Amino acid sequence: GEDVEQSLFLSVREGDSSVINCTYTDSSSTYLYWYKQEPGAGLQLLTYIFSNMDMKQDQRLTVLLNKKDKHLSLRIADTQTGDSAIYFCAAYSGAGSYQLTFGKGTKLSVIP
Amino acid sequence: SAVISQKPSRDICQRGTSLTIQCQVDSQVTMMFWYRQQPGQSLTLIATANQGSEATYESGFVIDKFPISRPNLTFSTLTVSNMSPEDSSIYLCSVETGGGGWGTEAFFGQGTRLTVV
Repeated sequence: GEDVEQSLFLSVREGDSSVINCTYTDSSSTYLYWYKQEPGAGLQLLTYIFSNMDMKQDQRLTVLLNKKDKHLSLRIADTQTGDSAIYFCAAYSGAGSYQLTFGKGTKLSVIP
Repeated sequence: SAVISQKPSRDICQRGTSLTIQCQVDSQVTMMFWYRQQPGQSLTLIATANQGSEATYESGFVIDKFPISRPNLTFSTLTVSNMSPEDSSIYLCSVETGGGGWGTEAFFGQGTRLTVV
């Protein structure tokens, strides 16, 4: 089955850019997602990218997909203290499977 | 989009007891999902709940331990039975919109933080 890997921790200074990386194993994954989980809250969908896209930009968020290497990244520009959270990468194979496979999450700490 | 209300938001339970978690969605959805997030871990799918049929459980999860009800298209419950400290986790309800095609999005409840003592 699918395996999704992320680094567990990232620390950046306020105002810098954050880059969170993710790798996945199933080349048939059609949709890839980034979720944000703030303390005590559920998961909030940040953005997603379809596998035929290389890049998607949404305000301060940029998602890059390297399908050949099965590598996904999330860049947060001008990182703010409110961005401190755990960020989950998730892959979805589609084709009748409704299961999202999540990485373990990257805890982003923003230093004022 | 879908707005999901999940309750309780947290509970502390005695071992050997059971807790039922409720999940209410603001729109009709075909499939609802229950996840477990153990401390410091990612989300693991427990089961998929379809209205009008038995839930489908993932490997390592059984109906006797995690019975699920799905009485209609907007509501589901997950019961954690005969709890032990190892069941201490966050339990999350989720729905997907988009039918599995382009634009499929998954939405989550705020989770139920369960502590078993």
